[in-house]
Amino acid sequence: DGGITQSPKYLFRKEGQNVTLSCEQNLNHDAMYWYRQDPGQGLRLIYYSQIVNDFQKGDIAEGYSVSREKKESFPLTVTSAQKNPTAFYLCASTIEGVGYTEAFFGQGTRLTVV
Amino acid sequence: QKEVEQNSGPLSVPEGAIASLNCTYSDRGSQSFFWYRQYSGKSPELIMSIYSNGDKEDGRFTAQLNKASQYVSLLIRDSQPSDSATYLCAVRGYGGSQGNLIFGKGTKLSVKP
Repeated sequence: DGGITQSPKYLFRKEGQNVTLSCEQNLNHDAMYWYRQDPGQGLRLIYYSQIVNDFQKGDIAEGYSVSREKKESFPLTVTSAQKNPTAFYLCASTIEGVGYTEAFFGQGTRLTVV
Repeated sequence: QKEVEQNSGPLSVPEGAIASLNCTYSDRGSQSFFWYRQYSGKSPELIMSIYSNGDKEDGRFTAQLNKASQYVSLLIRDSQPSDSATYLCAVRGYGGSQGNLIFGKGTKLSVKP
């Protein structure tokens, strides 16, 4: 079955530690996105990538980094510079070049600072 | 800054009633519009998409789009307790960074048995 897989489902981070969230898709989609969701809030864009080896900052990129070495994979690293990382992180993908398609989401990773 | 606005709710309706959810957006260049349903602790799932002015019906759901007023709505007929969730409105432009989905903060719907 085609889809987007995020792992892990739950992640705990100690103060000052970097952690990496995985996102893999087998939909052959060009574009991939990372969103952050805080309680009672909508989705805020962290980073997006429209093609391999290229990515752009979204609205809240500070303290995060990404890579796009393969079309299927778009990992997100939450660095120690992100002072308030506790949130629900969602990865999504779309077909690029066609303006009307919806985003497909992974199941999310809930990150908690301990 | 492109914005998508929704009433945060909660919107409470009795079972069997019509639930009406509204959304406005700031970017006149927006091309496509989506309604996602999100249960607590879960990821959003697409329930409706609409691209041209007018109504689009799918089962109990009807999406309405008015580009001149920059307004999109979702009607849920014969509301069921299982419809209780947060509904996210999302808007997308065309191409490049304009193609990024911009989300509203969501409207929490509660359907009372």
